[in-house]
Amino acid sequence: AQTVTQSQPEMSVQEAETVTLSCTYDTSESDYYLFWYKQPPSRQMILVIRQEAYKQQNATENRFSVNFQKAAKSFSLKISDSQLGDAAMYFCAYRSARGADGLTFGKGTHLIIQP
Amino acid sequence: SAVISQKPSRDICQRGTSLTIQCQVDSQVTMMFWYRQQPGQSLTLIATANQGSEATYESGFVIDKFPISRPNLTFSTLTVSNMSPEDSSIYLCSVEGVTGELFFGEGSRLTVL
Repeated sequence: AQTVTQSQPEMSVQEAETVTLSCTYDTSESDYYLFWYKQPPSRQMILVIRQEAYKQQNATENRFSVNFQKAAKSFSLKISDSQLGDAAMYFCAYRSARGADGLTFGKGTHLIIQP
Repeated sequence: SAVISQKPSRDICQRGTSLTIQCQVDSQVTMMFWYRQQPGQSLTLIATANQGSEATYESGFVIDKFPISRPNLTFSTLTVSNMSPEDSSIYLCSVEGVTGELFFGEGSRLTVL
């Protein structure tokens, strides 16, 4: 079974600064997807970024980028120029590329943005 | 991305009763997933609902407690049966996107007294 580990229960960053959220995972599969989701207090789960395991290039979405290290099974999220609206719970998630399974989530990291 | 509507948004229920949560999607989807998020916790997959077949439940979840219907490709229901305070959670419906990601509804927050 796959597992996803987020070792930082809470992170704090000054507005406009950069923060990195950590995620490691364990799997015996070679083809899979990795995701970061954001859950603000409104509780809506919002997809932030996705990475396909077969792609060596790290995914980027505006101020959000990942550092995907397949051999190390590491998938960190970097948020540049942090904004107050980035404050939320961030969940790292794994999904097999077989397509029949749902997502396996980490425990989440609570991101606080200091004005 | 799909637009997913869940009803009810929130409810307060008495122990021993059952509540059915509805999930409506604005497009046809093959797989729908039901998740539970207990207070302050991450999301845990309850079951996968495919149209025309019985739902597939994850370890720790059983059909008698969480019966699921999937009558067509745009709709599903999850019933939480014989509720206890431990069932107080957010229940989320999700569907698969075209590139492997899942999209989520806004969730249904249940409080069991």
